[in-house]
Amino acid sequence: EAGVAQSPRYKIIEKRQSVAFWCNPISGHATLYWYQQILGQGPKLLIQFQNNGVVDDSQLPKDRFSAERLKGVDSTLKIQPAKLEDSAVYLCASSLGGDSGFGPGTRLTVT
Amino acid sequence: GQNIDQPTEMTATEGAIVQINCTYQTSGFNGLFWYQQHAGEAPTFLSYNVLDGLEEKGRFSSFLSRSKGYSYLLLKELQMKDSASYLCAVADSWGKLQFGAGTQVVVTP
Repeated sequence: EAGVAQSPRYKIIEKRQSVAFWCNPISGHATLYWYQQILGQGPKLLIQFQNNGVVDDSQLPKDRFSAERLKGVDSTLKIQPAKLEDSAVYLCASSLGGDSGFGPGTRLTVT
Repeated sequence: GQNIDQPTEMTATEGAIVQINCTYQTSGFNGLFWYQQHAGEAPTFLSYNVLDGLEEKGRFSSFLSRSKGYSYLLLKELQMKDSASYLCAVADSWGKLQFGAGTQVVVTP
């Protein structure tokens, strides 16, 4: 079974620039999550999709972050404009019942 | 909302046993996950408990008590490669998966 795919793996941008991350979940997993993980902390949920609908985006800074999951499969997370405090690893995860998996993450550095 | 607590760090020697506790408060409950995360890597799935009791998987076991809002991950016969952060995550009735801050386990020779 192929795991969760993410790209890019690394990204360095300057503050106020925009960036987009892509995620392809495990085949058949209806639930998709985007997490932000700052060094030394646990992952923080940004947004959760069930198929192509948003279940929870209460912790997504909507003034600068947006996410979509077209056709209930792939998802993109966008930051525009980026701030220094957005430097983190962005993890995509998917699940179906008790089966779950994480992608390798995208390490974002904002300078 | 959800509140998930676990110790920040634990140290143990090679070959020993370590128990990582996790307490949680959630609005609804749909399972508890344990993940292992090595530095610079993504979390990897260790266990999933949705019913009370002990689940054993090789050197790792996970226990759940829903009435107490409590779980633990037991690591036996510790090896140096077990040095990592261990994350407790709880799914609420909507499937929303929230993580604790993680417990850094340091295994010493």
